[in-house]
Amino acid sequence: DADVTQTPRNRITKTGKRIMLECSQTKGHDRMYWYRQDPGLGLRLIYYSFDVKDINKGEISDGYSVSRQAQAKFSLSLESAIPNQTALYFCATSDPGPSTDTQYFGPGTRLTVL
Amino acid sequence: AQKVTQAQTEISVVEKEDVTLDCVYETRDTTYYLFWYKQPPSGELVFLIRRNSFDEQNEISGRYSWNFQKSTSSFNFTITASQVVDSAVYFCALRTINDYKLSFGAGTTVTVRA
Repeated sequence: DADVTQTPRNRITKTGKRIMLECSQTKGHDRMYWYRQDPGLGLRLIYYSFDVKDINKGEISDGYSVSRQAQAKFSLSLESAIPNQTALYFCATSDPGPSTDTQYFGPGTRLTVL
Repeated sequence: AQKVTQAQTEISVVEKEDVTLDCVYETRDTTYYLFWYKQPPSGELVFLIRRNSFDEQNEISGRYSWNFQKSTSSFNFTITASQVVDSAVYFCALRTINDYKLSFGAGTTVTVRA
């Protein structure tokens, strides 16, 4: 089984709809991240969480919110989806510590907002 | 602020040719970590390597090799005797010891033709 899973893998929604993307991990990592990928821009950080009680904004948090339900679960919500949020979304996890803090990514969720 | 530049947008080679992907980074921190990730057509992000700033030793893993040069702020990636399965987008990324996020380059698309 994959260590980092994301659901759904693909989603098409309409402008104005609320949508939630979910991420679960079995790696036992404390840190979790949400990124979005747009063509030609690489990945950009939306939110990150270092533990259940810690939530932080990334570079592009406007229009998004997150919830860390448990160490293993980190959800990303789009309160009112708009077309320019069409992108590939990745969840990632890592263990703290400068020598071990490599981020491992889930398979991605392809979101299309019409 | 950190910055990663992958100047090559696309590279196309014939199978068995070698291909080198360039990565140039900018940071004011003296301790940092460099990464390469592979994104095959299926879309997931696969971790390939992590290199610490204090370790300039080059690394080889099978057909993959990495050349880290602090003097030129470069962390280049070479695929020797390329295969069709190497076709993917490759991302270089940087994280500093005091930072939480990965700064990604825009990626280089490698196409290996049979």
